[in-house]
Amino acid sequence: EDQVTQSPEALRLQEGESSSLNCSYTVSGLRGLFWYRQDPGKGPEFLFTLYSAGEEKEKERLKATLTKKESFLHITAPKPEDSATYLCAAAGGTSYGKLTFGQGTILTVHP
Amino acid sequence: NAGVTQTPKFQVLKTGQSMTLQCAQDMNHNSMYWYRQDPGMGLRLIYYSASEGTTDKGEVPNGYNVSRLNKREFSLRLESAAPSQTSVYFCASSGTGTGGETQYFGPGTRLLVL
Repeated sequence: EDQVTQSPEALRLQEGESSSLNCSYTVSGLRGLFWYRQDPGKGPEFLFTLYSAGEEKEKERLKATLTKKESFLHITAPKPEDSATYLCAAAGGTSYGKLTFGQGTILTVHP
Repeated sequence: NAGVTQTPKFQVLKTGQSMTLQCAQDMNHNSMYWYRQDPGMGLRLIYYSASEGTTDKGEVPNGYNVSRLNKREFSLRLESAAPSQTSVYFCASSGTGTGGETQYFGPGTRLLVL
């Protein structure tokens, strides 16, 4: 059974204080690892897709990396507007497009 | 381009009532999905449709039915609502659904069953 675990559950940062969110996955034949951002009362907003170990993608203050067991979302010099829940999801080899989601990390950035 | 749209945004039902949640996408995607999101449980797949004319069960299908009306539209029906179905429901779509494809989500429907 595919499993995705995110840590920490919640993270509080000061503005400018860089940190990382972790996503550990157990998936047969990973076909894609996805990061989403979700604001309160909204649907998940796509951030990144990673396909193979060693791959990295960046967007503004966010950088996602992938190993064979984990993915990290690095946040550099965060701003209050980066506050949101960050979701990680994986698509396994037999899932035919179905995603297994982690429970998310709630990020709060204080000014 | 509206992406994925869902109606209604919010609904209150009494136990035993029925309702249909509507979803439409304008990205010419083949695959569509219904998820529910509950505190502490994350997003869980209810049903999906890999292509027009096909539907299949996900992780938590009990109490739900779906219809893939055409390529654009995928509806979720609750025949006899129960308090356990109080949740936020999200529809999503992806290109071909063959795996490794990004899914794009709608804004959600918040359902309260009394």
